[in-house]
Amino acid sequence: GAVVSQHPSWVICKSGTSVKIECRSLDFQATTMFWYRQFPKQSLMLMATSNEGSKATYEQGVEKDKFLINHASLTLSTLTVTSAHPEDSSFYICSARDQVTPNTGELFFGEGSRLTVL
Amino acid sequence: AQSVTQLDSQVPVFEEAPVELRCNYSSSVSVYLFWYVQYPNQGLQLLLKYLSGSTLVKGINGFEAEFNKSQTSFHLRKPSVHISDTAEYFCAVSTASGGYNKLIFGAGTRLAVHP
Repeated sequence: GAVVSQHPSWVICKSGTSVKIECRSLDFQATTMFWYRQFPKQSLMLMATSNEGSKATYEQGVEKDKFLINHASLTLSTLTVTSAHPEDSSFYICSARDQVTPNTGELFFGEGSRLTVL
Repeated sequence: AQSVTQLDSQVPVFEEAPVELRCNYSSSVSVYLFWYVQYPNQGLQLLLKYLSGSTLVKGINGFEAEFNKSQTSFHLRKPSVHISDTAEYFCAVSTASGGYNKLIFGAGTRLAVHP
């Protein structure tokens, strides 16, 4: 149980275009999802917290107009990188908390999405 | 605010040798502690977690960790590693007050197992 799926796994796009990454909880409902960014050989950096039916909460330094997050249902959150540039190339990982289990902070992670902007 | 320090960025070890990956945290309140493993180009997989109770926690793939409150540590150990254990390992903490909305990750330790 507790499977989180991300799509696409890999995406290459031209500079200036927008890219959407989907994060789905397959066998549980997630009122809260989190989006992380990971640079090569570095740790995960929390970008934003996505709450179902409300606006996302962005971490300091993360441009909310650049990284649009939508959490329209209990099983789906999307991250849209708008007007992507080469510096947005990175590995993006989503995670979700099962709303049923105790609130210990434990998260279930997606497989990640590697974005390359040419 | 809580933070996590993984003291070793890289740990090389020979196959079948024991290994310890160190993790220290700072927090003024009760914490929950986690170890995750990441294989190349993949997401994170939970190895083990400490929520409460016994301070020695056993996880998947033969790993275990011990919560030491006085030393604020949560070191990960395995008595005999395999080549397949080569991966990046992340220690993480979430606090038990003010909500559990965030997992704070350490910088990661790359375990490289050599034949």
